[in-house]
Amino acid sequence: EVQLVESGGGLVKPGGSLRLSCAASGFTFSNAWMSWVRQAPGKGLEWLGHIKSKTDGGTTDCAAPVKGRFTISRDDSKNTLYLQMNSLKTEDTAVYYCATGMAGRWGQGTLVTVSS
Amino acid sequence: DVVMTQSPLSLPVTLGQPASISCRSSQSLVYSDGNTYLNWFQQRPGQSPRRLIYKVSNRDSGVPDRFSGSGSGTDFTLKISRVEAEDVGVYYCMQGTHWPPVTFGQGTKVEIK
Repeated sequence: EVQLVESGGGLVKPGGSLRLSCAASGFTFSNAWMSWVRQAPGKGLEWLGHIKSKTDGGTTDCAAPVKGRFTISRDDSKNTLYLQMNSLKTEDTAVYYCATGMAGRWGQGTLVTVSS
Repeated sequence: DVVMTQSPLSLPVTLGQPASISCRSSQSLVYSDGNTYLNWFQQRPGQSPRRLIYKVSNRDSGVPDRFSGSGSGTDFTLKISRVEAEDVGVYYCMQGTHWPPVTFGQGTKVEIK
């Protein structure tokens, strides 16, 4: 069974940094493209970016609002996906989800609150 | 960026009756490989989103057959043949043809009358 478990969320001040993790199991992680999607309180879904599998180049694509501030990476030896978030803004407050491929399976999400 | 426009944004339905949600894209979602990467998601209250339909009309494993997807090009529809209480939530369409970025519709809230 596919399982995705996000962690690392919490309260951070504007301008601060946070790294989210997504532990994957139940599928061949190294072969999978992986995505991050967020949802601000009471709002819709926003794609943040994805990382390709190493065999497909391992490159990343990020959405414009987070490009240059957020970095997606992966450690296939640990079956783990990461989202490094820097220069956080209050508008980054959201639940952050990892998902397989083009959002086939989702984790339970982790809440990030950016507030002074 | 491809803009995904859903309608209606709110859909009160009677139990046992059909429901239909429209999703329109600002450009054709047919990819160069011939596939159309249009997905539908359900998000029940307090839960993570769950994919129901991929590539327009393919149901994911475990999705009841009362859910169906159709459409082509720029116009797509999610239909629920007979709404049940567990279908309450917000439904999103998503395009994965023209990326980056992948884009979602605004969401349609389905509630019971």
